[in-house]
Amino acid sequence: NAGVTQTPKFQVLKTGQSMTLQCAQDMNHNSMYWYRQDPGMGLRLIYYSASEGTTDKGEVPNGYNVSRLNKREFSLRLESAAPSQTSVYFCASSEQRQNNEQFFGPGTRLTVL
Amino acid sequence: AQKITQTQPGMFVQEKEAVTLDCTYDTSDPSYGLFWYKQPSSGEMIFLIYQGSYDQQNATEGRYSLNFQKARKSANLVISASQLGDSAMYFCAMREGLNNNDMRFGAGTRLTVKP
Repeated sequence: NAGVTQTPKFQVLKTGQSMTLQCAQDMNHNSMYWYRQDPGMGLRLIYYSASEGTTDKGEVPNGYNVSRLNKREFSLRLESAAPSQTSVYFCASSEQRQNNEQFFGPGTRLTVL
Repeated sequence: AQKITQTQPGMFVQEKEAVTLDCTYDTSDPSYGLFWYKQPSSGEMIFLIYQGSYDQQNATEGRYSLNFQKARKSANLVISASQLGDSAMYFCAMREGLNNNDMRFGAGTRLTVKP
């Protein structure tokens, strides 16, 4: 099992460009998440999807959109990138029960110039 | 309001000694779960240990144990017999409610194990 995979691993964008971060999991989990990690701030939830066909905003959703394409895939889109979106982005998946840990992908390091 | 507080930006420990990483949390929900994750310099997030708010005993997983003090709202991670490979960032996180997907993380503590 690959677990949670993310593409790309690194990306550099210019201000105003758009891009989509891809995430896939092969653990048959219902719930998937997108986080950003900035220095000194831990991880912050951008969006999550409790199940196929549903998405909800997290703590910092502004400037992002998501799509739960199917049970396996959950993508994050930046429509018009800004320097403030320079960060490391993590995708995660889990079962929905409280005691289930989240499994994380390797992360995407995004720089917006 | 900050829900998870980790007050130690950095900690040092001698190899083979025990170390405690602090975590306090804030919630009014009686049902919640607390998690600890390790992030080595390679960047991946590794799940270490879980404690439920209704669990009667402190959680343990190998060299990791959780010192859960519910009345004080603290969930400190104890690592026994530290190893050089334990050097990493450690994050405390909380999930409120039974089926809530919103997990909040603390700012993390960087642990350095000295040989």
